[in-house]
Amino acid sequence: GAVVSQHPSWVICKSGTSVKIECRSLDFQATTMFWYRQFPKQSLMLMATSNEGSKATYEQGVEKDKFLINHASLTLSTLTVTSAHPEDSSFYICSARSVRGYNQPQHFGDGTRLSIL
Amino acid sequence: AQRVTQPEKLLSVFKGAPVELKCNYSYSGSPELFWYVQYSRQRLQLLLRHISRESIKGFTADLNKGETSFHLKKPFAQEEDSAMYYCALSEGGGSNYKLTFGKGTLLTVNP
Repeated sequence: GAVVSQHPSWVICKSGTSVKIECRSLDFQATTMFWYRQFPKQSLMLMATSNEGSKATYEQGVEKDKFLINHASLTLSTLTVTSAHPEDSSFYICSARSVRGYNQPQHFGDGTRLSIL
Repeated sequence: AQRVTQPEKLLSVFKGAPVELKCNYSYSGSPELFWYVQYSRQRLQLLLRHISRESIKGFTADLNKGETSFHLKKPFAQEEDSAMYYCALSEGGGSNYKLTFGKGTLLTVNP
């Protein structure tokens, strides 16, 4: 149980285009989803916290107009990298917490490797 | 601000040897500590959390508030334990439950 699916797993696109990444909780409902960024050989850095039906909370230094997050349902959150540039190339990972129970842990997706040419 | 430190980027042991992956944290409140593991080409998985006080795959970790540590231990390492291990801290409770990760330790268990 507690499976989180991310799509696509890998995307290559030209500079200036926008890219949408989906994060779905397949067998549970998630009030809260999280988006992380991971640079090569570095740790996961939290970008934003996404709550169903409300605006995302961004971490300091993360441009909210650059990284648009939508959490329209209890099973889906999307991250759109707008007008992507080579410096946005990275590994993006989402996680989700179940609405049921207290202190539920985060369950992670497989990640999306984004390469901007 | 909370911080998680994993001092060893790489750790190499032989099969059957004890292993300890170090994790220290700094946080003024009452944190919740986790260990996550990432096997080769797989997603990040929860291994342990301190509130559960359980042993998973032979691993244990005890929260030492005096030393602000949450070291991961296993008495006899196996080759299949080779993976990337991340220590993480949460401020605990609340609806957001953010995690702060350490930089990770790559464990290699040699035959």
